[in-house]
Amino acid sequence: EEQVVERGGGLVQPGGSLRLSCVVSGFTVSSNYISWVRQAPGKGLEWVSVIYSGGSTYYADSVKGRFTISRDNSKNTLYLQMNSLRAEDTAVYYCARGGSSSLNYGMDVWGQGTTVTVSS
Amino acid sequence: SYELTQPPSVSVSPGQTASITCSGDKLGSKYACWYQQKPGQSPVLVIYQDNKRPSGIPERFSGSNSRNTATLTISGTQALDEADYYCQAWDSSTAVFGGGTKLTVL
Repeated sequence: EEQVVERGGGLVQPGGSLRLSCVVSGFTVSSNYISWVRQAPGKGLEWVSVIYSGGSTYYADSVKGRFTISRDNSKNTLYLQMNSLRAEDTAVYYCARGGSSSLNYGMDVWGQGTTVTVSS
Repeated sequence: SYELTQPPSVSVSPGQTASITCSGDKLGSKYACWYQQKPGQSPVLVIYQDNKRPSGIPERFSGSNSRNTATLTISGTQALDEADYYCQAWDSSTAVFGGGTKLTVL
């Protein structure tokens, strides 16, 4: 079964850092476009970042320069390093699998999400 | 930056057809996807590439995309279809989500 499981959320102070993990099973992390998508409490979905199967990375303007997406093929795991965290980064963070050959196949596998709370 | 606009809410009677729109500049030149999210659950892809259904999605879900508007249509709407629905498209390697539409079946 193709599955992604997010880990690493928690409570962090403003200005702090956190690293989220997305453990992939049933497919290889390097074979698909994989995104991080977040959802603030009571709000809609917001795309955060994507890593292409070829390794290229892209970010939403709201996190550019603060967040870094990466992957470890040997561990079949995706990461999101989040620095200089702000209160507005508080959200449930989802890992979502995209297509293997194109962005245009939609995000068809989602994890259960991990909650990040930025507060003093 | 690119924006997608959805109506905040849509209501439909059971058994009737629900239509949820998503508007964006020249959206018809991009591929639109739709996601369903029920309270406390993760999003589920219901339509990709404008009008394709992933395996396991009922045939009552369909989609279209032309000019500036993509539309999700749910035929014979059931109570279990009550949820938030989000459209999404890619714009220059950036994913954009619409603000979401709460579908109420009453």
